[in-house]
Amino acid sequence: AQSVAQPEDQVNVAEGNPLTVKCTYSVSGNPYLFWYVQYPNRGLQFLLKYITGDNLVKGSYGFEAEFNKSQTSFHLKKPSALVSDSALYFCAVRDANTGGFKTIFGAGTRLFVKA
Amino acid sequence: GAGVSQTPSNKVTEKGKYVELRCDPISGHTALYWYRQSLGQGPEFLIYFQGTGAADDSGLPNDRFFAVRPEGSVSTLKIQRTERGDSAVYLCASSLALQTGELFFGEGSRLTVL
Repeated sequence: AQSVAQPEDQVNVAEGNPLTVKCTYSVSGNPYLFWYVQYPNRGLQFLLKYITGDNLVKGSYGFEAEFNKSQTSFHLKKPSALVSDSALYFCAVRDANTGGFKTIFGAGTRLFVKA
Repeated sequence: GAGVSQTPSNKVTEKGKYVELRCDPISGHTALYWYRQSLGQGPEFLIYFQGTGAADDSGLPNDRFFAVRPEGSVSTLKIQRTERGDSAVYLCASSLALQTGELFFGEGSRLTVL
């Protein structure tokens, strides 16, 4: 069975500084990995995904994520944080080898960017 | 509209009552998912459909929960004999029939059981 861990409940960063939101995963086969963002009173929005190929994936709003197979991690990064990036971020995984579409989400990390 | 639509946006009911939550996916998306999100938690997988059939219902918590998608488009999540612990936001998402496809979420139906 697949699972996702987001070890930090909250990440605080100053505007203009780089940010990292951590995610580790467990699957029996090869992973498909995703990041989603949830703004207050809004639905979840897709940010980026890793399927195969280059370990560094670029997505919306200047975010990127790095897939590390040996560490089973998929950390979300941004070189320069904005106050408007403050939101709830979810990492998600799908097991590519099961042939199904079941996607499991982590518990979420709240990002707070202060001006 | 172009996005996933969920109705009602808010539902307040009494313990023991029956509830239906509706999801209208993006046109052409054959995969449809239901999740439940409690305050401060991540979305908890309930069930997903590929076309009309439930491909994986392993997340449904018990037999009070049931979901249908009779024509392969609109889906209804049905909860019988509601309990206070069922209170949560119920999220629907749809996806193209590709294993690599990301999910497109609706804004959710907030269920409160008094």
